[in-house]
Amino acid sequence: EIVLTQSPGTLSLSPGERATLSCRASQSVSGSYLAWYQQKPGQAPSLLIYGASSRATGVPDRFSGSGSGTDFTLTISRLEPEDFAVYYCQQYGSSPPWTFGQGTKVEIK
Amino acid sequence: EMQLVESGGVVVQPGGSLRLSCAASGFTFDDYTMHWVRQAPGKGLEWVSLISWDGGSTYYADSVKGRFTISRDNRKNSLYLQMKSLRTEDTALYYCAKSAAVGHFDCWGQGTLVTVSS
Repeated sequence: EIVLTQSPGTLSLSPGERATLSCRASQSVSGSYLAWYQQKPGQAPSLLIYGASSRATGVPDRFSGSGSGTDFTLTISRLEPEDFAVYYCQQYGSSPPWTFGQGTKVEIK
Repeated sequence: EMQLVESGGVVVQPGGSLRLSCAASGFTFDDYTMHWVRQAPGKGLEWVSLISWDGGSTYYADSVKGRFTISRDNRKNSLYLQMKSLRTEDTALYYCAKSAAVGHFDCWGQGTLVTVSS
């Protein structure tokens, strides 16, 4: 089973600032099958990034993903008020179980 | 528009059984692998199970293997999760999710709450 470790646990930033979230895998994620999801309070998760760097339909271009192998990053270039939420990475590589990171909360400073 | 709507969540006693349902619309249901994902109160996401487009392949997290059974009815555009021998640690919001062709989850339901308590 691939374990995903996200850091930091909480990121305190102001609107307009840049957010950098990390996701590290315990072994290489095949095919860069790594996704990022955003979850706001009381809502289901929604897809932001798949294939490590491809934005989902309708996702603003201030969100970008990068990385390969075991190290992946989600960057939000300039935080908007609606971006304060919890972010999860997920690997969906060659075989189950698919696993999620424990989440990073981006909160208003 | 793709939509998933879960139902069936209730309060159940430890050791009890329950069946969750997920109704799909807005896409060709029998083209896609489907998943169940759960989220305990205040906690992160945990993948639970998947079923292939035709029901021929199923996989489970170790935490539910032997107790939960995933199934689907493509004629009814519906996904199911039969849960038995429920434990307090199964208490969670259960989401169904659609797998995109590549494998990430491109559509989620709003979830149905299962509470296991005496």
